[in-house]
Amino acid sequence: GAGVSQSPSNKVTEKGKDVELRCDPISGHTALYWYRQRLGQGLEFLIYFQGNSAPDKSGLPSDRFSAERTGESVSTLTIQRTQQEDSAVYLCASSWGSGGREQYFGPGTRLTVT
Amino acid sequence: GENVEQHPSTLSVQEGDSAVIKCTYSDSASNYFPWYKQELGKRPQLIIDIRSNVGEKKDQRIAVTLNKTAKHFSLHITETQPEDSAVYFCAASKGNTDKLIFGTGTRLQVFP
Repeated sequence: GAGVSQSPSNKVTEKGKDVELRCDPISGHTALYWYRQRLGQGLEFLIYFQGNSAPDKSGLPSDRFSAERTGESVSTLTIQRTQQEDSAVYLCASSWGSGGREQYFGPGTRLTVT
Repeated sequence: GENVEQHPSTLSVQEGDSAVIKCTYSDSASNYFPWYKQELGKRPQLIIDIRSNVGEKKDQRIAVTLNKTAKHFSLHITETQPEDSAVYFCAASKGNTDKLIFGTGTRLQVFP
């Protein structure tokens, strides 16, 4: 079946502009996660959605970052007033439920803020 | 909050040798420990995971060990092959959430 997909694959934006990144999880996966990966570094947790529960936003670095998810389907990550330090690959992952289940990653969106 | 440290940052081995990567975690409530492999320009993929009720798990050439008392876990790759060359990430999470806290990664190079 289809894996996790993300769009766009690459995004170049000017400092101060808003960007919206999209994630389509694997059908039926109730959990969805966003991570950020700066060049040559590890994955940094941003936000986690599980079913109809309130999202865990503890990883969002500032109030310029927000994310939404419609039911158990697509999610969008929005970054307002982008800064150069926001440049990174943004990875989305999904899994069946919670409690230590494999997370399947999408290909990521490479964001470059000029 | 939870912190995961990973060592070494780079590791070079000769084909056929073994490779060991070590991680330590800070939150004693963590109970799920996956390892992901990320090839250059590609997405991370799970290669093996272990839960806190198990001390060791093996899958062909790959094994993971967990020491809950010391709060550390290790990845062991035996009979390394050039295609094992990649960046490997350890991670930890707690039972009621799958929020993964990742280590900083180990770049493994296997020379033929």
